[in-house]
Amino acid sequence: DAGVIQSPRHEVTEMGQEVTLRCKPISGHDYLFWYRQTMMRGLELLIYFNNNVPIDDSGMPEDRFSAKMPNASFSTLKIQPSEPRDSAVYFCASSLLARTQYFGPGTRLLVL
Amino acid sequence: DAKTTQPPSMDCAEGRAANLPCNHSTISGNEYVYWYRQIHSQGPQYIIHGLKNNETNEMASLIITEDRKSSTLILPHATLRDTAVYYCIVRVEGSGGGADGLTFGKGTHLIIQP
Repeated sequence: DAGVIQSPRHEVTEMGQEVTLRCKPISGHDYLFWYRQTMMRGLELLIYFNNNVPIDDSGMPEDRFSAKMPNASFSTLKIQPSEPRDSAVYFCASSLLARTQYFGPGTRLLVL
Repeated sequence: DAKTTQPPSMDCAEGRAANLPCNHSTISGNEYVYWYRQIHSQGPQYIIHGLKNNETNEMASLIITEDRKSSTLILPHATLRDTAVYYCIVRVEGSGGGADGLTFGKGTHLIIQP
């Protein structure tokens, strides 16, 4: 199995631009999680889906952030407009039946 | 999820066993103990988990005390590649039992010395 796939691996953008991060979960997994890691706040959960339905988005920082899961094999996390404080590493993880979560390699985002 | 307490850092000599402690004194009866590690610039990597009994896999062993208030992750023969931040997390698992995300603390930065 290829594991969780994330793209792009690195993204550099300017403040105000739209950023879209992508995730392909492990085939057959029914849960998908988005996390963000910063030096100040560590690893924190943003949102998660079960069977493509958002279950808890209480970790999403503000309305500039949105996430979708149009099908079982694809999810996006969008930031519009982006701000320098959004600079972080964004991880996607997936699991089967809410058991062990497996993480992707992350997307390193830098907003200038 | 119950909180966990881990030492911020530990050193271990290469080739020796690395024993990483974790306190989880408020753990509930249906909460599992999970261990993940994060090697610099990589995504968190699952290591092992357990409920009551000790567990072993190809990466590590997990020893849980009888009262379940603490546990120890053991890397039997540490190598330089085991240098990472190790996270101990307690959580309910399985559908309907609380499909929450993982709550990461600061973890233990394990440094393997050559």
